[in-house]
Amino acid sequence: DVKVTQSSRYLVKRTGEKVFLECVQDMDHENMFWYRQDPGLGLRLIYFSYDVKMKEKGDIPEGYSVSREKKERFSLILESASTNQTSMYLCASSQGPTHTQYFGPGTRLTVL
Amino acid sequence: ILNVEQSPQSLHVQEGDSTNFTCSFPSSNFYALHWYRWETAKSPEALFVMTLNGDEKKKGRISATLNTKEGYSYLYIKGSQPEDSATYLCAFLRGGSSNTGKLIFGQGTTLQVKP
Repeated sequence: DVKVTQSSRYLVKRTGEKVFLECVQDMDHENMFWYRQDPGLGLRLIYFSYDVKMKEKGDIPEGYSVSREKKERFSLILESASTNQTSMYLCASSQGPTHTQYFGPGTRLTVL
Repeated sequence: ILNVEQSPQSLHVQEGDSTNFTCSFPSSNFYALHWYRWETAKSPEALFVMTLNGDEKKKGRISATLNTKEGYSYLYIKGSQPEDSATYLCAFLRGGSSNTGKLIFGQGTTLQVKP
């Protein structure tokens, strides 16, 4: 059974802190994605990666960076957390040719 | 800019009603169209992926059709049940050299089924 896990379900951080969100998939998928979900705005792509050490900006990359040192792991980094980064963060992975995405359970991040 | 539009944005129906929603997407450079179901407090789960014009997929009471020439897909739910309450997302995958695996999601249709 496919599995995407995220390091935390709930996280509370303070403004200015550096925050790491980890995502691990066990399906040997090439592609991994980070989204945020906010009420009324649907899923918005932050970054994605199509191979180890390869990354591309999504629709809203500002304030975020990512790291993919191993195929199974994709990390989202908030260099200096701000209150407007309070959101639900979802990780997903996929493989071609049709790229069905498999999602993790999500991390609800609150920045105070 | 590629847009994937879903309508309606939300829908309230009574248990037993049948319903349908629409997803419109660019008709050029098509590779695949996905439907996902996203229940409250859970993660999106794949329902269908369709690749050919005229494709029809079915899973229980839920079915989907695809028209790639005019750029739309319909999702149908027959005899809605409260457990069908969720947000239904469609997502478009471009073909050719643009196929990086990045899906372009619509905003979703939120269905509420009242008992």
